[in-house]
Amino acid sequence: GAVVSQHPSWVICKSGTSVKIECRSLDFQATTMFWYRQFPKQSLMLMATSNEGSKATYEQGVEKDKFLINHASLTLSTLTVTSAHPEDSSFYICNPLWAYNEQFFGPGTRLTVL
Amino acid sequence: AQSVTQPDIHITVSEGASLELRCNYSYGATPYLFWYVQSPGQGLQLLLKYFSGDTLVQGIKGFEAEFKRSQSSFNLRKPSVHWSDAAEYFCAVGASGTASKLTFGTGTRLQVTL
Repeated sequence: GAVVSQHPSWVICKSGTSVKIECRSLDFQATTMFWYRQFPKQSLMLMATSNEGSKATYEQGVEKDKFLINHASLTLSTLTVTSAHPEDSSFYICNPLWAYNEQFFGPGTRLTVL
Repeated sequence: AQSVTQPDIHITVSEGASLELRCNYSYGATPYLFWYVQSPGQGLQLLLKYFSGDTLVQGIKGFEAEFKRSQSSFNLRKPSVHWSDAAEYFCAVGASGTASKLTFGTGTRLQVTL
């Protein structure tokens, strides 16, 4: 299967700081990227959808100014959590779309905000 | 809108016993259906998927699932569970024929007793 990487795999930051999470598709090009988050002991919830070179579309209840998504190339997308607060602590997972019937997920980034 | 229900939050089985995890979906057309497994602190691993054709799908690690359109179900089965199968299992549905986000169920936590 396709290889997807995320960096960092875990990060701890102070409240009020910003954190950038990178997602790379290592052996395929993804025109569409989905970002999910998973709170402890809960399911994955879609945060936003981005297409290469255009603005991301955010799900209801997700603040676009807080979660900045950049999908500047077909192999790299970044999610920046700005002014992070403890309630943003979560597991963030990217899902670059290779084909409509292939779903590969990144290994996830665990964010802890103190 | 598509939705997924996993009625069982937590299931405990003995090693060597058979397993069935339930999944019901709601979608207007033929869905794309997936089962993923997630170990603690880890990303998602695809077990199997259904798009069309044979309604009995074989996956990795000895898992299989059967698509039953009349019951809107896609239950996951394994004839003999191993202790290493203890994990969280997620059923997901995607829209057929398009580059689509997935909607996940709430997950079923499997515990295996020796």
